[in-house]
Parts: sequence; C-alpha cells; structure tokens
Amino acid sequence: DAKTTQPNSMESNEEEPVHLPCNHSTISGTDYIHWYRQLPSQGPEYVIHGLTSNVNNRMASLAIAEDRKSSTLILHRATLRDAAVYYCILRDTGGATNKLIFGTGTLLAVQP
Amino acid sequence: GAGVSQTPSNKVTEKGKYVELRCDPISGHTALYWYRQSLGQGPEFLIYFQGTGAADDSGLPNDRFFAVRPEGSVSTLKIQRTERGDSAVYLCASSPGPSSNEQFFGPGTRLTVL
Repeated sequence: DAKTTQPNSMESNEEEPVHLPCNHSTISGTDYIHWYRQLPSQGPEYVIHGLTSNVNNRMASLAIAEDRKSSTLILHRATLRDAAVYYCILRDTGGATNKLIFGTGTLLAVQP
Repeated sequence: GAGVSQTPSNKVTEKGKYVELRCDPISGHTALYWYRQSLGQGPEFLIYFQGTGAADDSGLPNDRFFAVRPEGSVSTLKIQRTERGDSAVYLCASSPGPSSNEQFFGPGTRLTVL
C-alpha cells in the first residue's frame, strides 16, 4: 500500500486559513487521495477526496500537485471545532476491499 | 438519520476472557469494516465484509480474532483469550458499497484488558 507523510502537528489561529500538507511520492495512477479527520473521542470523519483536479466541498478544499506526489488540505477559516487529527490516505481504486490505510496524521491545534 | 452505532461504548475485561463487540451499520450499507486504534496511532484495518461474507480478513492479527455478519447487517467482532495488548478502541465503519468514496465510522468501543 502506498504511504503518505504528514507533519506530526500544526497550529493555527481561529478564523485564519490552514494548509495541511501531505507527501505521497509513491502514489500510483489508480490511487485516490482521501482526507479524514478525527475529533477527540470520536471515530474518523470523511472530509474530501480527489484524483487529479483540485476539489472543493462545504468542509474544505483539496489542492493536488500536478505530478500528484503531494497534496494540501485547505481549511479556509479555522474554527475551534476543527481541532482534530487529520489523516491523508491513498485509496487504491483497483483494489478489492476499499480499506483505508491510516498513518499517524497531523494533530491540528486551533488557538482562539 | 441514524449513523453507525457500536456497543458497548466501553468494555473492561480480564486477561484470558472472551469478549464480543457489536456494530450496527447504517441501514442499507452493504460494506462493513472493522478497525483497531491504539493510543497515539491511526486506525488499523482488521476485516472487511461485503454483505454476509468476509471479503478481506488480512488485518486480523491472529486466530483469537474472529468476526461475523450473518444477515448482512449487524456485525460482531469476537476476541478469544484476551491479552493486555488487545486493549484499544475498536472502530466500525460502513459504506453503501465496496467502491463508495466515503466510509462512515461509529464512535468505537474502548476495550481494556486488565
């Protein structure tokens, strides 16, 4: 399974944008880039996913590098509720199970 | 609507005992996953069901772990002869189908083996 590399932790101020980076230099052509987040004492929650083009939804934006070896999750205005561990995951669409392979993620702290 | 539910929310047991953890997926979801999360780590895949059958059990750590989904809805994860190293949060997730983009996770069951 392809691996991702993320910073262990990041800090942001409330109301400011946050850019969470992810490196995935061994990504294959059939891998989608998924982001999940996990709030304290909860199960992970889907945030966004993409293949090649940048993606936007109500929660966040996903910027994917042209060579697909890295991506950035963008929270446009961080709130205290966004404090969580953010996981960048590669999902192989050619696989049979659709299982998610989590790393250790980035712990985002949001300061008021 | 109702999300994925897991019972119990907490389970404390003694080393060597047998435990069962239950997962109620979202109604109509055919794909069901079990993950295990140790402190400070990301969730680790255990087993995947498509309908009633275990399509991928490659993540089960050993033969003390077993899971069933007899009617294609509720699933039970069973752990025999529990060990202290089995202590973790056990997470269940479901999705409409195997190629769905989003998995919906339950709150987890925190298992503590004394």
